[in-house]
Amino acid sequence: GEDVEQSLFLSVREGDSSVINCTYTDSSSTYLYWYKQEPGAGLQLLTYIFSNMDMKQDQRLTVLLNKKDKHLSLRIADTQTGDSAIYFCAEKVYSGAGSYQLTFGKGTKLSVIP
Amino acid sequence: AAGVIQSPRHLIKEKRETATLKCYPIPRHDTVYWYQQGPGQDPQFLISFYEKMQSDKGSIPDRFSAQQFSDYHSELNMSSLELGDSALYFCASSIAYPQSTAGTEAFFGQGTRLTVV
Repeated sequence: GEDVEQSLFLSVREGDSSVINCTYTDSSSTYLYWYKQEPGAGLQLLTYIFSNMDMKQDQRLTVLLNKKDKHLSLRIADTQTGDSAIYFCAEKVYSGAGSYQLTFGKGTKLSVIP
Repeated sequence: AAGVIQSPRHLIKEKRETATLKCYPIPRHDTVYWYQQGPGQDPQFLISFYEKMQSDKGSIPDRFSAQQFSDYHSELNMSSLELGDSALYFCASSIAYPQSTAGTEAFFGQGTRLTVV
């Protein structure tokens, strides 16, 4: 994930808001995603944002995109212990003819303290 | 709703053996991706297929090959397995040209955990 960077760890108290940040480098990114991975489990798509949007809200999740700075954030309101997981930021870069891939950051491990 | 199905969920192989991992995408998805996730690592892109043709290639070793079949399922073939191949292998599927921006997401399977001993 050299093109997508995230801080590795975040600890918050239950009930507080969590903000996970991500920076990416490819300006041709079309979509940016947040995936959640619980221990030993697969990647669960949480939400995504199209590159021409600057904000998207989905229940407790708010995604903010600053395209100029290539900065993406995920805010989780009222964080619960069940939110403890690794959160991956990913960018999708489209190169034409159905050819594109997702590039992932290294993941931010969110620990929620009861 | 149907999700991406991978099989097997767990696989143990010895060094130098071969392994075949299978992926069944979500119905009507035409694009399949394969990712490898080592312990404590982020998922690394291996290869993708669109309409049964290889569309992009990442850090896939020459010992590995993959293909997408006419029913859109995909198989990842791994030969001469090495200890370092032990990882979680994810398959994801998506629609390459969705009719709306809401249809572009890639959905992942639960992964196949390969252990090489």
